[in-house]
Amino acid sequence: GAGVSQTPSNKVTEKGKYVELRCDPISGHTALYWYRQSLGQGPEFLIYFQGTGAADDSGLPNDRFFAVRPEGSVSTLKIQRTERGDSAVYLCASSLQGGDTQYFGPGTRLTVL
Amino acid sequence: GENVGLHLPTLSVQEGDNSIINCAYSNSASDYFIWYKQESGKGPQFIIDIRSNMDKRQGQRVTVLLNKTVKHLSLQIAATQPGDSAVYFCAERRDNFNKFYFGSGTKLNVKP
Repeated sequence: GAGVSQTPSNKVTEKGKYVELRCDPISGHTALYWYRQSLGQGPEFLIYFQGTGAADDSGLPNDRFFAVRPEGSVSTLKIQRTERGDSAVYLCASSLQGGDTQYFGPGTRLTVL
Repeated sequence: GENVGLHLPTLSVQEGDNSIINCAYSNSASDYFIWYKQESGKGPQFIIDIRSNMDKRQGQRVTVLLNKTVKHLSLQIAATQPGDSAVYFCAERRDNFNKFYFGSGTKLNVKP
């Protein structure tokens, strides 16, 4: 009865480096979301996948951010040339279909030094 | 978004009292709302939801009220316990109905 899992739980990197964050959604959930949460704020939408395709990537802040979901299950959020302002908790959520109740993973805390 | 920065509104209640957490939403076309609880270091946890064709929905110790006239949502927690201490977020579904927008959150502090 696994929920949404995310790895790593914590990631510390240096400015300019490349990072990958992984999300494993609830089995059978076709929709997958990535959010970013800064301290003291609510989750902020980044990108939404329906199956393998990115149905809405309007929340990605710039072209350093990219996400994939090649087989319609696991997703990877990729950040190139990390900046200190990218430091945040990155949350993944999945739902049975787009727009249904979303269930969140524990998040990955990214710290860019 | 509705994020307001680092200073979360805080509600302090005594253990055993009832708590009411409020949320104002922005879009009259929003049709589905969810309350989440987030404990420190964890992801948001689903508590209860309500659709726009309802005014009230009850769960175990929790009730959500929806007032569409003034675009207001509230979460009532009965007999608040120390384990209820967390940040609570409301989320609204709007636009193309596949995305949710989160409020800035309210921190609930339960005093034993």
